[in-house]
Amino acid sequence: EVQLLDSGGGLVQPGGSLRLSCAASGFTFKNYVMTWVRQAPGKGLEWVSSIIISDGSTYYADSVKGRFTISRDNSMDTVYLQMNNLRAEDTAIYYCSQATSGLNWGQGTLVTVSS
Amino acid sequence: DIQMTQSPSSLSASVGDRITITCRASQDIGNLLAWFQQKPGKAPKSLIYDASSLQGGVPSRFSGSGSGTDFTLTISGLQPEDFATYYCQQYTNYPLTFGGGSKVEI
Repeated sequence: EVQLLDSGGGLVQPGGSLRLSCAASGFTFKNYVMTWVRQAPGKGLEWVSSIIISDGSTYYADSVKGRFTISRDNSMDTVYLQMNNLRAEDTAIYYCSQATSGLNWGQGTLVTVSS
Repeated sequence: DIQMTQSPSSLSASVGDRITITCRASQDIGNLLAWFQQKPGKAPKSLIYDASSLQGGVPSRFSGSGSGTDFTLTISGLQPEDFATYYCQQYTNYPLTFGGGSKVEI
């Protein structure tokens, strides 16, 4: 059974940093693209970033480029999202998902940016 | 960027109804389109990938069709557990983009 366990969210002040983690199991991690998607309160889904696990190629939404960094640890089957210089508009539930087509999703982790 | 336009944004329906949600892409995306269901407080759940392929475990009352720029999600025989918000998403290229969502209410 595929499982994606998101963690690392919390309350942070504007300009602060957080690192989200997504621990994967139940599939061959290296064969997939892993993706972060966020959902602001009461809003729709917004793609944030993706990483090709096999070669480490990364992709970012313009809204987070230069502030967020996606990475992976193949030995731990885990993908990370390092979020720096956070803004109020980054407040959202962050989900990791398997593949660009969203085959499976984590339960989400809430990030709140507020003073 | 490829824009995804969903309609309707909301609809009222009854148990047993057949409903259709449409999704239009701003350019040709082939068949690289997925549909998701999301219930309040829950993560999205994959229903359909590659425009018409049903994910394992998804009831056969859900179906998807289309290619190029125009796509539909059909639910034949709406069940109480189907009242939710539905999203389409293209994965032809980056940035991946979602439709605005369609809320199905009683």
